[in-house]
Amino acid sequence: AQKVTQAQTEISVVEKEDVTLDCVYETRDTTYYLFWYKQPPSGELVFLIRRNSFDEQNEISGRYSWNFQKSTSSFNFTITASQVVDSAVYFCALSEARSGNTPLVFGKGTRLSVIA
Amino acid sequence: DAMVIQNPRYQVTQFGKPVTLSCSQTLNHNVMYWYQQKSSQAPKLLFHYYDKDFNNEADTPDNFQSRRPNTSFCFLDIRSPGLGDAAMYLCATRSGSSYEQYFGPGTRLTVT
Repeated sequence: AQKVTQAQTEISVVEKEDVTLDCVYETRDTTYYLFWYKQPPSGELVFLIRRNSFDEQNEISGRYSWNFQKSTSSFNFTITASQVVDSAVYFCALSEARSGNTPLVFGKGTRLSVIA
Repeated sequence: DAMVIQNPRYQVTQFGKPVTLSCSQTLNHNVMYWYQQKSSQAPKLLFHYYDKDFNNEADTPDNFQSRRPNTSFCFLDIRSPGLGDAAMYLCATRSGSSYEQYFGPGTRLTVT
């Protein structure tokens, strides 16, 4: 069975601090995809990144970076120099790589509050 | 801009009164999903369409039904809403050749 664990329920940081959101996953599949989504107070889930299981390269996009480590089944997300607009709930998700339906298995989310 | 649109954004219905939520997409994706998200919880998949093939999650209540008349539109029908059905309902789409889902802004349903 697949499972995604986001142990941090809520995090508060002061603006300009760096913050890392943890994500640990479980799957028996050898090929899978990992995702991060942002859900601001407006409610829409915004796709941030997809990472393939066979690509362990870390990725940086502006102030966002992702650290994927298969050895520890982790896919952590770091925001550098956080801003108030980063305040949101962040969901990590996992999907098998197969044809047909590939449901997203979500973690419970981490609520990030960035204080000015 | 290509996007996933949900109407209305806020819906109030009475206990037991049928309600329909709508979703449309301009992405031409062949997979569409409906999720229910209650406060401080992760989205929970209700059902999805792969083209015209309908797939119901095992624990989706019979009270919930869906229609997909064409590629662009998908509807969620709640036949007899209960107080426990108050939630955010999220529609998402996915291309059959990709894995990331794109979500609409959601419809927040209140049941009085």
